[in-house]
Amino acid sequence: EAGVAQSPRYKIIEKRQSVAFWCNPISGHATLYWYQQILGQGPKLLIQFQNNGVVDDSQLPKDRFSAERLKGVDSTLKIQPAKLEDSAVYLCASSFVRVAGANVLTFGAGSRLTVL
Amino acid sequence: QQQVKQSPQSLIVQKGGISIINCAYENTAFDYFPWYQQFPGKGPALLIAIRPDVSEKKEGRFTISFNKSAKQFSLHIMDSQPGDSATYFCAAIMEANNNAGNMLTFGGGTRLMVKP
Repeated sequence: EAGVAQSPRYKIIEKRQSVAFWCNPISGHATLYWYQQILGQGPKLLIQFQNNGVVDDSQLPKDRFSAERLKGVDSTLKIQPAKLEDSAVYLCASSFVRVAGANVLTFGAGSRLTVL
Repeated sequence: QQQVKQSPQSLIVQKGGISIINCAYENTAFDYFPWYQQFPGKGPALLIAIRPDVSEKKEGRFTISFNKSAKQFSLHIMDSQPGDSATYFCAAIMEANNNAGNMLTFGGGTRLMVKP
């Protein structure tokens, strides 16, 4: 079974620039998550999709972050304009069903963003 | 609001020793407690998990101890090996909550180093 694919793995941008991250979940996984992991901290959920609908985006800074999952498969996370505090690893994860407890949440390797 | 507190932040153990990582939670509605292991440059991977109706779960060298009344749980790694060197995250979720916004809440992480 192929894992969760993410790209790019690394990105360095200047503040106020924009950046986009791409995620391809495990085939058949209806639920897709984007997490932000700041260095030395645990992952924090930004947004959760069920198929192509948003289930929870309460912790997404909507003034600068946006995400979409148009066809219920791949997803993109965009930051515009970026701030210094956005420097983090952006993890994409997927699970078979929305309840992520007993159903294994599989993470991708992440996209590391550095904002200068 | 930090709903899951994890300690210590870092831990150094000799090969063959016991590694102990502790977590405490606030929300009594949490009903599923997974532990994730993260190697550098990789996403977190599910290691072991427990529900509050049992006080202990063992899988190989990894054991979770759960104290429901104290709202605490811990991960014990017996006979620790250099290959166990990684960052460990405890987490919690309300598995029974099928409403929107059911999210996995992570602790801050513990960086474990096992010395040969």
